[in-house]
Amino acid sequence: QVQLQESGPGLVKPSQTLSLTCTVSGGSISSGSYYWSWIRQPAGKGLEWIGRIYTSGSTNYNPSLKSRVTISVDTSKNQFSLKLSSVTAADTAVYYCASLAAGLETFDYWGQGTLVTVSS
Amino acid sequence: DIQMTQSPSTLSASVGDRVTITCRASQSISSWLAWYQQKPGKAPKLLIYKASSLESGVPSRFSGSGSGTEFTLTISSLQPDDFATYYCQHQETFGQGTKVEIK
Repeated sequence: QVQLQESGPGLVKPSQTLSLTCTVSGGSISSGSYYWSWIRQPAGKGLEWIGRIYTSGSTNYNPSLKSRVTISVDTSKNQFSLKLSSVTAADTAVYYCASLAAGLETFDYWGQGTLVTVSS
Repeated sequence: DIQMTQSPSTLSASVGDRVTITCRASQSISSWLAWYQQKPGKAPKLLIYKASSLESGVPSRFSGSGSGTEFTLTISSLQPDDFATYYCQHQETFGQGTKVEIK
């Protein structure tokens, strides 16, 4: 069974870049069965899709965040990463990595989530 | 962009009740809809995919129906473990969520 685990700083200063990594275990990130995705959830609010990357490196981003987001993949480490630049307090949220099943378009597997707080 | 709208936002129910949550798409999405359950402090869990297919391991009291623009998630007999927030999803878009509370 595929497992995902987020890692990265829990506190980021305003205007800096948020960086998170998701490590995939129990399966190969190169399998082609999934799009590897980032989703966030501010406290008490709903789920917001940030973007996704395919094993080929092709990416899709939420238009509202596109100018600040970069998602990359490192197949040698079975990891994919998120960078969100110029953060503000509005970017404070629990960040999840998840696998989107190609074809079914469902988020089958999720990381446990990591809280990132933007504060000076 | 396709918008997904859930109703109600909050639902109060008792153990044993039949519960129905609705999700409407701003344009036809055929049967490409999934439902998730999220409990506090946890990641969402996939319940239903392709509108009506039950994910492996999910209790049979959960069912989904609909196609086109209107979809429903039904819990046939609400159990204590079912008090949670439920989200519908199409591609990159989630509904705003429905919180099922104890009445």
